[in-house]
Amino acid sequence: EDQVTQSPEALRLQEGESSSLNCSYTVSGLRGLFWYRQDPGKGPEFLFTLYSAGEEKEKERLKATLTKKESFLHITAPKPEDSATYLCAVTGSTLGRLYFGRGTQLTVWP
Amino acid sequence: DAGITQSPRHKVTETGTPVTLRCHQTENHRYMYWYRQDPGHGLRLIHYSYGVKDTDKGEVSDGYSVSRSKTEDFLLTLESATSSQTSVYFCATGGDGNEKLFFGSGTQLSVL
Repeated sequence: EDQVTQSPEALRLQEGESSSLNCSYTVSGLRGLFWYRQDPGKGPEFLFTLYSAGEEKEKERLKATLTKKESFLHITAPKPEDSATYLCAVTGSTLGRLYFGRGTQLTVWP
Repeated sequence: DAGITQSPRHKVTETGTPVTLRCHQTENHRYMYWYRQDPGHGLRLIHYSYGVKDTDKGEVSDGYSVSRSKTEDFLLTLESATSSQTSVYFCATGGDGNEKLFFGSGTQLSVL
């Protein structure tokens, strides 16, 4: 069964303290891995798509990487405005089926 | 923001009553999705559509039905609402089934 597991469930960082979020997946025929950000009371907002092992994407303080079994979202020198829940999702052999992990709730305090 | 509108934004209903949630998009996306989000469970797929009148079940489809008669509209119906269907419901759209999704703002549904 396709599955996505994110860790940790919650992470508290001081402003400027870099860290990484993990997304491990088991899916047959990975087509794509996606990272989203979700703020309270809003729908998820797309951040990155990764398609093959070794691929990396960057946006401001965020960098996403992909291996054959997991993805990392690295946050460099985070700011309080980076506080949000970060969701990982994958698509496998069934086109259109997107499986989400439960998310990592990130809090960055000044 | 992508043109996705969910209605209503909030609804309170009683157990046993029918409820319909509407998702309207202006992006002409082929794929449309209904997810529910609950604490401790994350986003779970209810149903999705890959074209007009083409739909398929997700992982938590029991008690829900959907219809898509036009590209821009995707309806989610709870035939007889139960308290376990109290949740936040999100609609999402995508172009080809393997690209980023755009999400609506969500519908908070409370079944008393």
